[in-house]
Amino acid sequence: GEDVEQSLFLSVREGDSSVINCTYTDSSSTYLYWYKQEPGAGLQLLTYIFSNMDMKQDQRLTVLLNKKDKHLSLRIADTQTGDSAIYFCAERETSYDKVIFGPGTSLSVIP
Amino acid sequence: DTGVSQNPRHKITKRGQNVTFRCDPISEHNRLYWYRQTLGQGPEFLTYFQNEAQLEKSRLLSDRFSAERPKGSFSTLEIQRTEQGDSAMYLCASSFPDRGESPLHFGNGTRLTVT
Repeated sequence: GEDVEQSLFLSVREGDSSVINCTYTDSSSTYLYWYKQEPGAGLQLLTYIFSNMDMKQDQRLTVLLNKKDKHLSLRIADTQTGDSAIYFCAERETSYDKVIFGPGTSLSVIP
Repeated sequence: DTGVSQNPRHKITKRGQNVTFRCDPISEHNRLYWYRQTLGQGPEFLTYFQNEAQLEKSRLLSDRFSAERPKGSFSTLEIQRTEQGDSAMYLCASSFPDRGESPLHFGNGTRLTVT
């Protein structure tokens, strides 16, 4: 069965880097995504990575994928208070083409 | 691109009543998804459509839940005989799978409270 796991909480100081980790189980996943959710809002796509890539960089965001260990991480450089939110890792299954989400990591940025 | 629109934003209903939510996807997106999210959890998949065809329903979706997408554009999600356990945020998302990475684009959700 499919499963996506994340640590639930992360606290960092403003200006430091944040690293949010995720593990998934479906080895045939094609795309992996990171979404951000602010209170009372829907999910905003931050970035994604195709399963044949190891790394993707997009401004302050760096995604690392270790396909052998089924481990995905999101690094946010120079974390700001506006980055405080819940971050969801998600995988797209190839078998049913649906997207499965992790439980989310609540990021708190301390000024 | 006006984004995914969901109505209403909030719905309060008494247990046993029926409710219906509407989702308008991004216009060129042919795939539409419904998810449910409870406090402190990630979105749980409920069902999805390719055009007007409902391709998969989750085991979470009891017989009291029904979703339609009659013309392949907007979709409705109806819950009959609501229960307190149905209280959650119902999220709709759309995508265009022919475009490779095809991420889901989400609406702001409908928050249902069953009293």
